Amino acid sequence: NAGVTQTPKFQVLKTGQSMTLQCAQDMNHEYMSWYRQDPGMGLRLIHYSVGAGITDQGEVPNGYNVSRSTTEDFPLRLLSAAPSQTSVYFCASTLAGGSGANVLTFGAGSRLTVL
Amino acid sequence: GQNIDQPTEMTATEGAIVQINCTYQTSGFNGLFWYQQHAGEAPTFLSYNVLDGLEEKGRFSSFLSRSKGYSYLLLKELQMKDSASYLCAVMDSNYQLIWGAGTKLIIKP
Repeated sequence: NAGVTQTPKFQVLKTGQSMTLQCAQDMNHEYMSWYRQDPGMGLRLIHYSVGAGITDQGEVPNGYNVSRSTTEDFPLRLLSAAPSQTSVYFCASTLAGGSGANVLTFGAGSRLTVL
Repeated sequence: GQNIDQPTEMTATEGAIVQINCTYQTSGFNGLFWYQQHAGEAPTFLSYNVLDGLEEKGRFSSFLSRSKGYSYLLLKELQMKDSASYLCAVMDSNYQLIWGAGTKLIIKP
């Protein structure tokens, strides 16, 4: 099993450009999520999904869109990149989100710089 | 508001023992997680506590006191490879994870 696969690992964008971060998992996990990690701060939830066709906003959703057309894929779209979106992005999944015992499996991360 | 506090950085010596503390104030509690994150890598799961007490897993142990809103991660027989950030996260009443900023552990020979 590949686990959680994120692409690209690195990306540089100019302000106003759009792009999509890809996330795929092969563990048949129902719950998938996107986090951003910034220096000196905890991981912050952007969007999450509890199953195909269902998405919801997390703590910091503005400027980002998601969709979940299949169980495996959960892409994150930046609509019009801003310097404040410079961050490291992690996709994470688990079997089902509504249980405290379910451990998140993280992708390797995508480092995004917006100039 | 919801808050997780843990020290920003700690230094310890190879072979020694170190305790990383985490205090939390959250709306509800459905468990506390510890993750390890090496520089430039993804977080990986270390431990999960939902009941008070100590959970031991090899060189790593995690303790929880729900009444005090307190947990610690204990690392024994420190090795150089234990140099990493350690993230504390609490699952609140809505089953959402609230993350601390992480503790960077530096191991010196």
